[in-house]
Amino acid sequence: QKEVEQNSGPLSVPEGAIASLNCTYSDRGSQSFFWYRQYSGKSPELIMFIYSNGDKEDGRFTAQLNKASQYVSLLIRDSQPSDSATYLCAVNPGGGTSYGKLTFGQGTILTVHP
Amino acid sequence: GAGVSQSPSNKVTEKGKDVELRCDPISGHTALYWYRQSLGQGLEFLIYFQGNSAPDKSGLPSDRFSAERTGGSVSTLTIQRTQQEDSAVYLCASSLGLAVDTQYFGPGTRLTVL
Repeated sequence: QKEVEQNSGPLSVPEGAIASLNCTYSDRGSQSFFWYRQYSGKSPELIMFIYSNGDKEDGRFTAQLNKASQYVSLLIRDSQPSDSATYLCAVNPGGGTSYGKLTFGQGTILTVHP
Repeated sequence: GAGVSQSPSNKVTEKGKDVELRCDPISGHTALYWYRQSLGQGLEFLIYFQGNSAPDKSGLPSDRFSAERTGGSVSTLTIQRTQQEDSAVYLCASSLGLAVDTQYFGPGTRLTVL
């Protein structure tokens, strides 16, 4: 069983729409959660991190965390063609010896078409 | 400031040869991580250095893989007797080593084993 699962893609949205990316995780003790964007042939680039339940907004991006449901999501408002990339959900497990070892989902490919 | 740097950016080697991959973390970051990203696979944790503590090697796939970090800064990942399945992009990340630990990735080294 995968520890971090993301909604299967690819996801295609029209320019200006809201893109919704979802992620579930299995380790209930996980403490912090990250969204990375990865353009083809490039390394992951941090977009957002969240560690408290609720919403966190940064410009067009909103991360949502629900620890009870073990669910984290990323909303991209007013999607632009430049948002087209693979989005990786990463989970930092609880303390102890696992701390710092991010577990990544498989990624969701997002395409924003004009 | 300067980000994480890695060298070489590309490495082509023959099966059975040894390779060394280098990572220079962001100045002041005490934590350093190595990940591997294979085609069709997610990002896979390999090894983690935190300050002067013993590294967490739990993600290394075999004893052909080793890593060291000299002077708490630059790290070298060594793969001995390379195999074709070692072909992947090797990514290094660094972080401040604090409680909510955001990791920043370098550009990666693409390793191809012929």
